[in-house]
Amino acid sequence: DAKTTQPNSMESNEEEPVHLPCNHSTISGTDYIHWYRQLPSQGPEYVIHGLTSNVNNRMASLAIAEDRKSSTLILHRATLRDAAVYYCILRYFGNEKLTFGTGTRLTIIP
Amino acid sequence: EAQVTQNPRYLITVTGKKLTVTCSQNMNHEYMSWYRQDPGLGLRQIYYSMNVEVTDKGDVPEGYKVSRKEKRNFPLILESPSPNQTSLYFCASSLFRATNEKLFFGSGTQLSVL
Repeated sequence: DAKTTQPNSMESNEEEPVHLPCNHSTISGTDYIHWYRQLPSQGPEYVIHGLTSNVNNRMASLAIAEDRKSSTLILHRATLRDAAVYYCILRYFGNEKLTFGTGTRLTIIP
Repeated sequence: EAQVTQNPRYLITVTGKKLTVTCSQNMNHEYMSWYRQDPGLGLRQIYYSMNVEVTDKGDVPEGYKVSRKEKRNFPLILESPSPNQTSLYFCASSLFRATNEKLFFGSGTQLSVL
């Protein structure tokens, strides 16, 4: 099964961009890259997903490496409300066992 | 409003006393799943269901049962809870197991088994 690797924790200053990396070196051609985040005392929430091309939405941008072995979630201007645990997962047919791992705990410094 | 609803939000029980945590979604989603979250271990999948009457084990199914008699409901059953099942539980749903569909999560159920 394709797996993802993320740093345990990261810090960033408020109002600066944040780049959260994810490695998925065993990714297959039909695997979608999904990002979720979990705010304190809440359930995870969807952030963004993509297949090959970079993606943007109102919450974030997703940059996918050309070989698709890594991706980066970009928060363009971090706020204190972005402090959360961020999870990178792969979704593909046959992978109904969606394991989230421990994610990256993002701390925003005022 | 599209949502996944879990009940109860908090539950304290004693070892061996059967309990059910309910999960309901109003989005006509086919895929539903249960996770438990423990410190340092992230989110681990317990069971999932790809449609009515179709369920399968996740990574940590021991000690749990599920049923999917209706599309909207996916209850988690602990027939004989033990202290090692003290955890934070989340239910999630998705339109299908389709790879480009996002997961929606409930707010969680904090279970303590004494």
